[in-house]
Amino acid sequence: QSALTQPASVSGSPGQSITISCTGTSSDVGGYNYVSWYQQHPGKGPKLIIYDVSKRPSGVSNRFSGSKFDNTASLTVSGLQAEDEADYYCSSYSSSSTVVFGGGTKLTVL
Amino acid sequence: EVQLVESGGGLVQPGGSLRLSCATSGFTFSSCWMHWVRQAPGKGLVWVSRIKSDGSSISYADSVKGRFTISRDNAKNTLYLEMNSLRVEDTDVYYCVRGFSAYAAYMDVWGKGTTVTVSS
Repeated sequence: QSALTQPASVSGSPGQSITISCTGTSSDVGGYNYVSWYQQHPGKGPKLIIYDVSKRPSGVSNRFSGSKFDNTASLTVSGLQAEDEADYYCSSYSSSSTVVFGGGTKLTVL
Repeated sequence: EVQLVESGGGLVQPGGSLRLSCATSGFTFSSCWMHWVRQAPGKGLVWVSRIKSDGSSISYADSVKGRFTISRDNAKNTLYLEMNSLRVEDTDVYYCVRGFSAYAAYMDVWGKGTTVTVSS
């Protein structure tokens, strides 16, 4: 159960789009369409923003979108806003009925 | 209002035990998967364990398997984590987390956490 691999940081200017990658293996990301993404602001609990690779829970902005190809999932944030500055974590269902998180990516809005 | 309130954390010596509790309210506890997730200050999320709504399905991260036991009391709307043979590397903030809808792999409401410190 190794953690999924995410870049430590990404940045973008307001209005731009950024993409965060999340690389796993065929035992997790590549083997199931149960990938999710969480947004965590400092001092706050994580917020589910994407599930089932690309679905958004009610109330989540459509500026957030998800996709997957082979063992890599991606989160795209379009039309960057200052409030998007946060840590983002991917997660996947894994073999043995477990769940694994990525190491987290800090998004900075320049 | 949905609430998850963890308790039971503290300072314990290596090899010791702790029992975490999570009192819940504001939702139908007996219908939800529940998880424990841990996070060191400034560090990433680490999934620990999960339990199905009726307790019939349980799984653990390899790092805690055989040492930690998750359980629930649906009559008391409470989730537990029994932690034995604690190691220094188990030091973290432990969060009680509600599963999202009927999905087993997603989480949507987090408690504020309880701190576990394992040190001699």
